[in-house]
Amino acid sequence: GAGVSQSPRYKVAKRGQDVALRCDPISGHVSLFWYQQALGQGPEFLTYFQNEAQLDKSGLPSDRFFAERPEGSVSTLKIQRTQQEDSAVYLCASRPGRSGNTIYFGEGSWLTVV
Amino acid sequence: SQQGEEDPQALSIQEGENATMNCSYKTSINNLQWYRQNSGRGLVHLILIRSNEREKHSGRLRVTLDTSKKSSSLLITASRAADTASYFCATDGVGTTDSWGKFQFGAGTQVVVTP
Repeated sequence: GAGVSQSPRYKVAKRGQDVALRCDPISGHVSLFWYQQALGQGPEFLTYFQNEAQLDKSGLPSDRFFAERPEGSVSTLKIQRTQQEDSAVYLCASRPGRSGNTIYFGEGSWLTVV
Repeated sequence: SQQGEEDPQALSIQEGENATMNCSYKTSINNLQWYRQNSGRGLVHLILIRSNEREKHSGRLRVTLDTSKKSSSLLITASRAADTASYFCATDGVGTTDSWGKFQFGAGTQVVVTP
């Protein structure tokens, strides 16, 4: 597609439920990032993929968070046993190469845990 | 934790006025970028300034960078109602693990431009 596509755009989950958020990066983009953005805050880095390799997962807040990109294109961010503090916008971004500066963001997946 | 801090947190101006916001950061950087985020939307890249540059222009945007003070400013000239958004600075830190571009964002400046 023309841009980074994320789904679902909105998700309401009951506390304790598992959720899966999907990211379709721009076709051919090597690098893929996940960020978490709490209300009124800037995005916080979660994890980074270069093709299918997860090179950095230092921002994942707990072992309930898991991300994968098995074929080097689509990525899924999974949150197990959701808690209220997981409520945030989850932003995916991609970049054409392994390095360079401009990354292209999707519209985000808005997660509300009730 | 967030690297950058934008100032002010909120800015309200009228159309035609200039809007200036600042960003301070803590560690050495490769470059600094500014992004815009409209309510409920993703982030849109505005402009990038490298650590060896001091000023850059793009249309109605002017960015300055002072690495000695670890600060940057974004100026929007002749603002329009469509400029209403949150503006974030993002830094790409120097270092082995950050060399591929793990960006750290500030908390943002909310700009409201009234007609």
